[in-house]
Amino acid sequence: KAGVTQTPRYLIKTRGQQVTLSCSPISGHRSVSWYQQTPGQGLQFLFEYFSETQRNKGNFPGRFSGRQFSNSRSEMNVSTLELGDSALYLCASSLAGSQTGNTIYFGEGSWLTVV
Amino acid sequence: TQLLEQSPQFLSIQEGENLTVYCNSSSVFSSLQWYRQEPGEGPVLLVTVVTGGEVKKLKRLTFQFGDARKDSSLHITAAQPGDTGLYLCAGALIQGAQKLVFGQGTRLTINP
Repeated sequence: KAGVTQTPRYLIKTRGQQVTLSCSPISGHRSVSWYQQTPGQGLQFLFEYFSETQRNKGNFPGRFSGRQFSNSRSEMNVSTLELGDSALYLCASSLAGSQTGNTIYFGEGSWLTVV
Repeated sequence: TQLLEQSPQFLSIQEGENLTVYCNSSSVFSSLQWYRQEPGEGPVLLVTVVTGGEVKKLKRLTFQFGDARKDSSLHITAAQPGDTGLYLCAGALIQGAQKLVFGQGTRLTINP
C-alpha cells in the first residue's frame, strides 16, 4: 500500500512568487491535512480537508490556502512568498471519523526555500 | 505557550542505556501519537494511544498514556545507535479531528 506522496520534494522560489504543493493520500483515506515545520516553531497545523471541504484551519495568514479534489488528492498554495515561508511542508492523511483514534500518516514533505 | 511540553529537548546517551521522554499538557487529549523523524524526511508513526492508562510496547520502546489523558511517556530500553532521531509527541484535542498539536520534539543521539 503506497504511503502519502508529496511533490515536489524540493523547490526554490523568489520572494513575491507563489507556489503550489501537491499531495496524494493513502488509498482510501479521505482526510488530508497540511503542516508547516520550521526549526523555530516546530510542526504547526495549517488546515485539513475532508470531502473537498476545509474542515479545520490553523493560525496562518490568508496567503496560505488549499483545496481537495474528488479523488481526495490535495494541493496547497502559498501566494506572495516571504523569506519566513521557507520550511518543510508536510501533508498527512487519515481515514477520518475513526472512533478509535486519530491515526495520521505523514508524507516525506516538500522542502521550500524562499530567496 | 506550548500546548504540549516535551522534555528533554536534547538527549545524548551511550549505547545500552535506558531513557524516558515526557510529553505533558494541562489539556485532555482524545488520543496521542508518537512519531520519529529522520533529517529531511517526514515523521513516521510509532504508536497511537487512546485510552487513559494505556501502555503499548514496540520492541524496546514502551509508550504510556496518562490516566487523565494529559500526558504521555516514551521509554527506550537498552538504546542503540539506530534509535537516534527526532521523537515527536502529538495530541488530538477532539475525537475524530485531524488537527494535531505537536510537542517541540526530543532530539535523541545514541553514541556507540
